[in-house]
Amino acid sequence: AQSVAQPEDQVNVAEGNPLTVKCTYSVSGNPYLFWYVQYPNRGLQFLLKYITGDNLVKGSYGFEAEFNKSQTSFHLKKPSALVSDSALYFCAVMMDSSYKLIFGSGTRLLVRP
Amino acid sequence: DSGVTQTPKHLITATGQRVTLRCSPRSGDLSVYWYQQSLDQGLQFLIQYYNGEERAKGNILERFSAQQFPDLHSELNLSSLELGDSALYFCASSAIIAGGTDTQYFGPGTRLTVL
Repeated sequence: AQSVAQPEDQVNVAEGNPLTVKCTYSVSGNPYLFWYVQYPNRGLQFLLKYITGDNLVKGSYGFEAEFNKSQTSFHLKKPSALVSDSALYFCAVMMDSSYKLIFGSGTRLLVRP
Repeated sequence: DSGVTQTPKHLITATGQRVTLRCSPRSGDLSVYWYQQSLDQGLQFLIQYYNGEERAKGNILERFSAQQFPDLHSELNLSSLELGDSALYFCASSAIIAGGTDTQYFGPGTRLTVL
């Protein structure tokens, strides 16, 4: 069965420092990978996705993610964190034969001033 | 703003009751998806419609049903509500049905509280 793991419930980082939010997946076949962010009392906002091609994907708000097939990972990164990046981040996978998104449990990012 | 609208924003009701959640997809999007977000289950896919037809089903209870209308808006009907149905219900839409290349854009959600 397809699954997504976000091993960290929370990530703490100081403003200006680089941040990484981890995601690993377990699927058979070709995965399509997504990152979404959820601010308090808001819906999920799309950040970026990997379909095929370059393993480094650039997305909204300066975020990027690196697809690593051998490690089955798709970690979200940003070179310099902002306090406004504090939110709940979800990694998701979609199989090429289905249409549903399978979400990880979410990682709360806290950027301190 | 994703362009996906959901009403109502909040819904408070009692056990045993029935409610309807409404979703309008982004202009031009033919696919609508429903997800449930709860503390114990996380974010789970419920059901997908494409141009009025059901296309995929996830962990949707038999007490729940959905439909997509000719104008492409969708409704999620929840009946015989239980306390455990309290959750945030999201609607998402995407342009076409073809696989994972279509980004799903999410609405702001409807928070359902069952007392």
